[in-house]
Amino acid sequence: DAGVIQSPRHEVTEMGQEVTLRCKPISGHDYLFWYRQTMMRGLELLIYFNNNVPIDDSGMPEDRFSAKMPNASFSTLKIQPSEPRDSAVYFCASSSITDTEAFFGQGTRLTVV
Amino acid sequence: GESVGLHLPTLSVQEGDNSIINCAYSNSASDYFIWYKQESGKGPQFIIDIRSNMDKRQGQRVTVLLNKTVKHLSLQIAATQPGDSAVYFCAENIGDSGYSTLTFGKGTMLLVSP
Repeated sequence: DAGVIQSPRHEVTEMGQEVTLRCKPISGHDYLFWYRQTMMRGLELLIYFNNNVPIDDSGMPEDRFSAKMPNASFSTLKIQPSEPRDSAVYFCASSSITDTEAFFGQGTRLTVV
Repeated sequence: GESVGLHLPTLSVQEGDNSIINCAYSNSASDYFIWYKQESGKGPQFIIDIRSNMDKRQGQRVTVLLNKTVKHLSLQIAATQPGDSAVYFCAENIGDSGYSTLTFGKGTMLLVSP
């Protein structure tokens, strides 16, 4: 398996634009997590899914953020409208019920100017 | 240790030395703990984990120690190599039935000089 795949790797956008981040989890994993990483706050869990169903979205900062998982092999994190303070590295991770670890993708570095 | 604000705690060692990275966790109900390594431009990568009913666990060149009395976790890396240079995070997981979520510390940067 190629691991968790995220796209794009880098995204630069203007304030007010919509941004969509994409994630393909490891095949067979039934948990998917979206994290945000900044120097100030470290790694923060935004939302996680189990069997494509959102379980806990309490980490989503505001209504501008939304996440979907239409099937077991794909998830999106959308920010609309984007703001400069959304600039961060966004990670997707996946795991299975038998794992004690989460497997992370390479991340998407988002810069909002 | 844990960082506050913009600057990560940094541990600088010489190649071949042993490294010890410390972490204080917050929740006494956490039932297992994980160390992750994050190299520049990459996602965190699992190193080793330990359950709350253990005090010590060894892997290849790494040892994790858990002191539940003072809620302290450490990662020891033997014979540190330049390739070990990275940011190291401890994470705690509170498990019920099924998978729960990880809470990460802010990280410690390890710099290994040849």
